[in-house]
Order: sequence, then C-alpha cells, then structure tokens
Amino acid sequence: TQLLEQSPQFLSIQEGENLTVYCNSSSVFSSLQWYRQEPGEGPVLLVTVVTGGEVKKLKRLTFQFGDARKDSSLHITAAQPGDTGLYLCAGAWGGSNYKLTFGKGTLLTVNP
Amino acid sequence: SQTIHQWPATLVQPVGSPLSLECTVEGTSNPNLYWYRQAAGRGLQLLFYSVGIGQISSEVPQNLSASRPQDRQFILSSKKLLLSDSGFYLCAWSEPRISGNTIYFGEGSWLTVV
Repeated sequence: TQLLEQSPQFLSIQEGENLTVYCNSSSVFSSLQWYRQEPGEGPVLLVTVVTGGEVKKLKRLTFQFGDARKDSSLHITAAQPGDTGLYLCAGAWGGSNYKLTFGKGTLLTVNP
Repeated sequence: SQTIHQWPATLVQPVGSPLSLECTVEGTSNPNLYWYRQAAGRGLQLLFYSVGIGQISSEVPQNLSASRPQDRQFILSSKKLLLSDSGFYLCAWSEPRISGNTIYFGEGSWLTVV
C-alpha cells in the first residue's frame, strides 16, 4: 500500500507570511494532485502535476513536483485569510491511474 | 460542463437503521465513480470505485456496499448502520482512461449515527 505523508499537519501563520507544505512518498507517482478543502465542503482541485521537476503557478501558489516524482511542495506567498483550509495532496501510481491515494492533509490557518 | 450532485447533505440515523446515499454526474459519459469517507476533517479514505455499470471494487472491508445501476449514478448503502459509520462521505468522478488522473468531488454528505 502506497503512503503519502504530508507535513506539517497543522500550520498557523499571520497574514502576509510565506509558507511551504510538503507531500512525500517512497514510491514514484504517475501523477499528483493538490486539493484545497473548506469545512463541510468537498475538496477542490488546485493543480495536477505529471512531469518530474514540473513547476506550476496559480496566482500566489507555486507547486513543484520533485525530479524523481516522489515528492511535491506547495508554496504560498503573502498568505491571506482566504487561504485558510485543509490542503490535501493525492497521488496515483503506475497502472492504478484511476485511483488516488490521499495524504492526511495540512490544516492551514491564516490569521488577519 | 460536468456537474456532480450527492444527497442528502446531512443525515442523522439510529444504529441498526439502513442507509442510502445517492450521487449523480452530468455532462460526461462512462465516468469513473468513487465513494470516499473523511474522518475528523482530515485525509480521505477510498471506500469504493467503479469503472463501469455494475462494476464495483471495494477497497476496505466494512459495513457498507455500493452499486452503480446506471452509467452516471452511484449509490452507497448499508443494511444496518454502526456508530463507527459516522463521518463525511464524498462522491467523486474522473474521466476514464485519462493520464494525470484528476478527481472531482461532490458537496459531501454528513452522516451521524446515534
């Protein structure tokens, strides 16, 4: 069973600060997704990465996929209270391309 | 565009009672369909997935079952609920046979077993 580890589990910062959260596995991903979830709602896709070394930017969010496709990071610049939520990474491996395994998430709180 | 709906949004059921959560997807054909459960607002556990009508794969042994009577309909059921079945249930879909698989989630259903 492939496992995804996310760190940190909890993060509380002040508005305007930068932060990075991580997603790691001992296995090679065929693809990796980042989702953001607000309380009582379903997760919403932020980005999908499939190529080792890939970097994608979404406004103040920067996503990086490791060269070996075993890890990923999400960096937020100048965090805002609206960034508060649970950030989940999810990976697919090899032939199970239609199944995703989720990490436990990083719960981010941005204080005004 | 594709949409996904699941219902009911909130459910409070006594122990031993049956359960039926329903999910439908619109705007796509032959989607992969999924049921996930999320405990304590953290990671998602895959319960069932389906790649076609009548094709159900179970990921973990449990008190639940799933059915796919139509191409875009996915149902989560139980004959007798347990307290441990409480949680946040999420239906989801993805395009079949697409690399870089991306899953799109419904709004979720809160189940409280009392």
